Amino acid sequence: NAGVTQTPKFQVLKTGQSMTLQCAQDMNHNSMYWYRQDPGMGLRLIYYSASEGTTDKGEVPNGYNVSRLNKREFSLRLESAAPSQTSVYFCASSEERHSNQPQHFGDGTRLSIL
Amino acid sequence: AQSVTQLDSHVSVSEGTPVLLRCNYSSSYSPSLFWYVQHPNKGLQLLLKYTSAATLVKGINGFEAEFKKSETSFHLTKPSAHMSDAAEYFCVVRGYTDKLIFGTGTRLQVFP
Repeated sequence: NAGVTQTPKFQVLKTGQSMTLQCAQDMNHNSMYWYRQDPGMGLRLIYYSASEGTTDKGEVPNGYNVSRLNKREFSLRLESAAPSQTSVYFCASSEERHSNQPQHFGDGTRLSIL
Repeated sequence: AQSVTQLDSHVSVSEGTPVLLRCNYSSSYSPSLFWYVQHPNKGLQLLLKYTSAATLVKGINGFEAEFKKSETSFHLTKPSAHMSDAAEYFCVVRGYTDKLIFGTGTRLQVFP
């Protein structure tokens, strides 16, 4: 019963490198989300996908792209990494976006940009 | 606009004593409110949720929260702290656009 799985768990990049963070859920959820967590700021939504084939910007989308590959998988791509993107990234999923069901979170990807 | 304020960035208690983590919210309509816990190097785990049913909500691990509309508060409590409760706690409100709005977190320390 894995829930939400994120890979990798840790990554160090140099400025300008690109990278894709992977996320997969096995709960048959329709909605998936990417957040970043920075000290003292809680979690901020980067992008979300209300259903397979749709994606929308969240609060802090600049510098990121996403792909909802299928119902299970939702990837986040940094095309040209910047030090300001050093953060912990969390993927989450929920049954439906417009519901009171909670979001389920992965364990995060800790990303450092040098 | 919806917002949530966690009134304490750090709370320290002794094992066996009560825990109170404070959260105030702002919402123009009846909100959905959640408390999540985050242990070190882990993702967020749902503790409990309020969705306009009973105002006193019971969650996992002995935690509960009371929704008080008159005070716009949703404080998290536990009668007796355990060492394993040491973690960061987030109060969350679901916004009118269905976006989750997170508080900045309260770090709970539990001393033996």
